[in-house]
Amino acid sequence: KNEVEQSPQNLTAQEGEFITINCSYSVGISALHWLQQHPGGGIVSLFMLSSGKKKHGRLIATINIQEKHSSLHITASHPRDSAVYICAADGGATNKLIFGTGTLLAVQP
Amino acid sequence: NAGVTQTPKFQVLKTGQSMTLQCAQDMNHNSMYWYRQDPGMGLRLIYYSASEGTTDKGEVPNGYNVSRLNKREFSLRLESAAPSQTSVYFCASSEWGPQVDGYTFGSGTRLTVV
Repeated sequence: KNEVEQSPQNLTAQEGEFITINCSYSVGISALHWLQQHPGGGIVSLFMLSSGKKKHGRLIATINIQEKHSSLHITASHPRDSAVYICAADGGATNKLIFGTGTLLAVQP
Repeated sequence: NAGVTQTPKFQVLKTGQSMTLQCAQDMNHNSMYWYRQDPGMGLRLIYYSASEGTTDKGEVPNGYNVSRLNKREFSLRLESAAPSQTSVYFCASSEWGPQVDGYTFGSGTRLTVV
């Protein structure tokens, strides 16, 4: 069993839909990161969470430390949101990340 | 623009050849990392450097060496490339301890070993 698991692995949505991507982890963390990677592209950091909820534009990330679970939500999805979304657990002591395998999101117009 | 710069972006090597991937950051971060990304797997840590002058092995260090030349630069060397090292390599940096912006990644190096 992987230490960081994401679901779903693949997600297809229609433009405008509300999207949720889930991340569960089994290790102790100091923070949980959400990253975005466009096809053939680099990796961009979206959020770093240690508790509660954060919001940037149409993106919302939440974390439940007790349940070891985080979610990334996209409101009013758009084709430009199509990308791989990756969650990563940050153990803290040495800032080493443990990555999930990613969720491939395709938003169709 | 501030960030992490990786070179080269693409490289094809023959088995047994050597090469060095370069990485530089201009954000004055203490910590730097090298990851590889393979299909169906999450990014895996090869080596990291918590601060200038220190380096440590990550999850998959075999076949690689690193040098933290100064605070800005962290290079990854393949001494004798093997087809199993075909991958996309990412360099990243972060400041020690939690940061609002988290990690910053380079744009990646796509390496093929034939």
